[in-house]
Order: sequence, then C-alpha cells, then structure tokens
Amino acid sequence: NAGVTQTPKFQVLKTGQSMTLQCAQDMNHNSMYWYRQDPGMGLRLIYYSASEGTTDKGEVPNGYNVSRLNKREFSLRLESAAPSQTSVYFCASRVGAGSSYEQYFGPGTRLTVT
Amino acid sequence: KQEVTQIPAALSVPEGENLVLNCSFTDSAIYNLQWFRQDPGKGLTSLLLIQSSQREQTSGRLNASLDKSSGRSTLYIAASQPGDSATYLCAVMSGYSTLTFGKGTMLLVSP
Repeated sequence: NAGVTQTPKFQVLKTGQSMTLQCAQDMNHNSMYWYRQDPGMGLRLIYYSASEGTTDKGEVPNGYNVSRLNKREFSLRLESAAPSQTSVYFCASRVGAGSSYEQYFGPGTRLTVT
Repeated sequence: KQEVTQIPAALSVPEGENLVLNCSFTDSAIYNLQWFRQDPGKGLTSLLLIQSSQREQTSGRLNASLDKSSGRSTLYIAASQPGDSATYLCAVMSGYSTLTFGKGTMLLVSP
C-alpha cells in the first residue's frame, strides 16, 4: 500500500509556464483534496473532490484547475504560473463523508515560480 | 468563517517533560478535530481524530481532548522524547469533509 503519492517532488517554473501536479491514492478513497502550504499561512484548501465525477472550490482556487481523472487520481493544473504560486502542494484523500474518517496526506510537491 | 489558532507557535522542552499543545476554533459546529504531525520537508501524518461527540482520544503517549462548546482542544504528550520534535497541526472539519488548519506548534525536545 503506497497510500497517497505525488509527482513531481520538486519543480521550478518560469512565470507564465504551465504544469500539472499529479496525485494518486491506492486506498479506494472517495474524497480527494489539494492544499497549499505557505510559511505563516498554514495549509489552505485549493480544490476538493468529494467523489468521483465532482469537484468543488476551496478557500484559494484562483489560478488553478483540477481534474478527477478516476477514483484513484486527482490532478492540479497551473495554466499560467505566477510567483505567488510558489508553495508546497499537498494532496490528501479520505474514505468519504462521515465524521470518523481521517485525511491521509501525500509527501508534497515543492514548486518554485521565478 | 472557521478560524483555528494554535498556541504556542513554538515550544522547546528537555527530554522527559510532559507537555500540552493548545488549539482553539471559532465555530463550535464541527464534525471532528484532527491532530497531525509534520516533520521538516515531509507530509502530514495523522495522530488522533476526535469526533464531535467524543471528549478525548488516546494513542500511546498522546492524549487529545475536545471541548466543543468552548472551542478548544489540547494535545498532551507524556514523557517527551527527541523523536517527538516536529510541527504539530490541529485541523477541524466543519464543512462538507473539508478541514481548516491552524498554523501549527513547532516542538523541539532536547536530549
């Protein structure tokens, strides 16, 4: 069981370039999430997918798009990267709705936009 | 809007001490509260989850309590060890399966 995996681990982009962050989970979870973590700001939710076929905006969705490709995979796309998107990005998953279920996190992608 | 605050922001203790980390939240209408550990440069590891109907949860040397009405949770670490050094994050679920995080408490346990 690999849990939640993310690729790439590190990425450097120039302003205006685009890229897709990949996330996959092998726990048969229904819900998946994308967060960003910035110094002094804590983790903030970008987008989430409560179940396959649905996606919803979180607290900071501007500049991002997501795709729930199938039950396992949830990708995050930056169409035109900006220096303000320099951050560490975490993907997480959860069984689904219900107050007894934990969120499980991937190892993160460290993105620098110059 | 839910806001989560963790105090202190940083804590340094000698090995063997018992310690308490604090978490407060502004909206008491929560489904659960989760405590995580984050090592430098790593992802988050879930430590304990307390459902809104529960008062506390225990795992080994860790004990987390929840007072929903006052909007507070504490994480108690008994007999601290250098391996406990990490950042501890508190998060509450008050929306549809989404978490709101505090900024964390950075703990350093010295030998």
